[in-house]
Amino acid sequence: SQTIHQWPATLVQPVGSPLSLECTVEGTSNPNLYWYRQAAGRGLQLLFYSVGIGQISSEVPQNLSASRPQDRQFILSSKKLLLSDSGFYLCAWRGRGGMNTEAFFGQGTRLTVV
Amino acid sequence: GENVEQHPSTLSVQEGDSAVIKCTYSDSASNYFPWYKQELGKRPQLIIDIRSNVGEKKDQRIAVTLNKTAKHFSLHITETQPEDSAVYFCAASIGSGNQFYFGTGTSLTVIP
Repeated sequence: SQTIHQWPATLVQPVGSPLSLECTVEGTSNPNLYWYRQAAGRGLQLLFYSVGIGQISSEVPQNLSASRPQDRQFILSSKKLLLSDSGFYLCAWRGRGGMNTEAFFGQGTRLTVV
Repeated sequence: GENVEQHPSTLSVQEGDSAVIKCTYSDSASNYFPWYKQELGKRPQLIIDIRSNVGEKKDQRIAVTLNKTAKHFSLHITETQPEDSAVYFCAASIGSGNQFYFGTGTSLTVIP
């Protein structure tokens, strides 16, 4: 069966520090991968999605970047965090093949920038 | 990209009553419409979905309806229970595409 791992679960970082959140998927190959951010009491904002190794599409201009160094690994990064980067970050994967399939989410990372 | 709007943002109902959450989308090419439930501090999980070749789908106490002409779809929860209290998200996706857009969420509270 497929599983998705996301870590860390919580993170407190000072303003100006770097960020690296990692997400890995097991039990499937060539998935679509997504990073979402959920601000407190808000909806799920699509940040990045990837259809393959090294292929990243950005949805909104921001202080963050994403990379996909391996088929089932998706990394969210920042060189210098801002206070506004605080939120709940969720990684997700979907199957491929032209089918309408659900997205499966990781457990999320609660990031607090202080 | 796709723009998904969701209403209401908060909803309180008495236990046993019905709850209805509505979403609209902008891209007529969207053809997959899932609904997710997110309990406090947890990951969103799929509760029901509908594809554009179907107008209605039901699973026990929950149902989803889709009006492709009007580009809106709705979640219906009947005989609500306290454990239905959560944030619900609608989403829209184009089957051959890769983006997956969510609405802004509805916080549902079922009052015992």
